[in-house]
Amino acid sequence: KAGVTQTPRYLIKTRGQQVTLSCSPISGHRSVSWYQQTPGQGLQFLFEYFSETQRNKGNFPGRFSGRQFSNSRSEMNVSTLELGDSALYLCASSWGGFSSYNEQFFGPGTRLTVL
Amino acid sequence: EDQVTQSPEALRLQEGESSSLNCSYTVSGLRGLFWYRQDPGKGPEFLFTLYSAGEEKEKERLKATLTKKESFLHITAPKPEDSATYLCAASTGGSYIPTFGRGTSLIVHP
Repeated sequence: KAGVTQTPRYLIKTRGQQVTLSCSPISGHRSVSWYQQTPGQGLQFLFEYFSETQRNKGNFPGRFSGRQFSNSRSEMNVSTLELGDSALYLCASSWGGFSSYNEQFFGPGTRLTVL
Repeated sequence: EDQVTQSPEALRLQEGESSSLNCSYTVSGLRGLFWYRQDPGKGPEFLFTLYSAGEEKEKERLKATLTKKESFLHITAPKPEDSATYLCAASTGGSYIPTFGRGTSLIVHP
């Protein structure tokens, strides 16, 4: 069974640019959640999508947005990049999402560097 | 505010030297306590879910336990390949969103 895949794996952008990250969940999983991981803040929840609907959102500015497609694939967009957005962005998928207390399976992450 | 605190931040062990990692939580209405292992440059790998106080789960050299205020990850006779960062997360009945601790970085020397 293929795991969660994320593309690209590495990305270098400059301040003010925007970026789109992609996540393909495990086949059959309907929930995709996104996290930002930094040495200073640890793993922080961004948002969760289930069947194309955003079910939960973390405490991040509106520059961070996402969407989910009918095949459960998800994209995350960050506009007007800031230096502080440099982080490892992780995507996780699960069958039923948070409310089902299913275990989440994480992808390898996208390492974003903002210069 | 929900909080999850892990200790110690870093732990060095000799191969075969058993120890425990701690995850204390202050959340309202715990629904699930999760343990993950994360290797450098990779995403977290799911280990266990615990749902109620008194519950225990085992996998190879790892055993997770849960009380009303904390969870422990016991590592018995660790090997160098157990070296990783171990993360715990607590999910509550309100938002269901898991709150993660900062992790414990474990290094096992041969």
